[in-house]
Amino acid sequence: DQQVKQNSPSLSVQEGRISILNCDYTNSMFDYFLWYKKYPAEGPTFLISISSIKDKNEDGRFTVFLNKSAKHLSLHIVPSQPGDSAVYFCAASGSRGRSKLTFGKGITLSVRP
Amino acid sequence: DAGITQSPRHKVTETGTPVTLRCHQTENHRYMYWYRQDPGHGLRLIHYSYGVKDTDKGEVSDGYSVSRSKTEDFLLTLESATSSQTSVYFCAISKDRTNEKLFFGSGTQLSVL
Repeated sequence: DQQVKQNSPSLSVQEGRISILNCDYTNSMFDYFLWYKKYPAEGPTFLISISSIKDKNEDGRFTVFLNKSAKHLSLHIVPSQPGDSAVYFCAASGSRGRSKLTFGKGITLSVRP
Repeated sequence: DAGITQSPRHKVTETGTPVTLRCHQTENHRYMYWYRQDPGHGLRLIHYSYGVKDTDKGEVSDGYSVSRSKTEDFLLTLESATSSQTSVYFCAISKDRTNEKLFFGSGTQLSVL
């Protein structure tokens, strides 16, 4: 039973345009959400997070939006750059971020020059 | 990069043989985790440790055991490797239980033939 779903396995966008990566979750106990980025042959690295008490968190070109009623979050990258090409994992946890993470399958983003 | 070293980086082994993967950290972080990454599954937690000799099972622990005799080392053992354990294994560390501060190693590619 997949509790964190990233239903689109891949996304391709033009450099300079917006990338929107989607994530859905089913567990109502999740209250903290994170995005990790992974390059080939490297481990994932933390990108951005959001608590359930917020509906938006922004860090430079990266913004995460949370819609609790829809159990949906999205990562926006504006403008997209070729260096953003990577696998992006959505992850969720409960207990205000202090329980173990549940990851989605990941989305492969390709940014075309 | 956080001081995390996984060894070996690549290993090919035969079904039925025991295999031990090592994670070594120089950050003196209390929490350590082992994940596996598989296509279509994302990252799944195998085992974790909250301190020396304090370990517990994750969501996919069958066929795996761990040991942590020192703060800096977390060993993952496949008692009798099977082809289903072919995967990329990632070690992660964190200073506390706040998940955004989860740092991953570069991974071990394990192939069980």
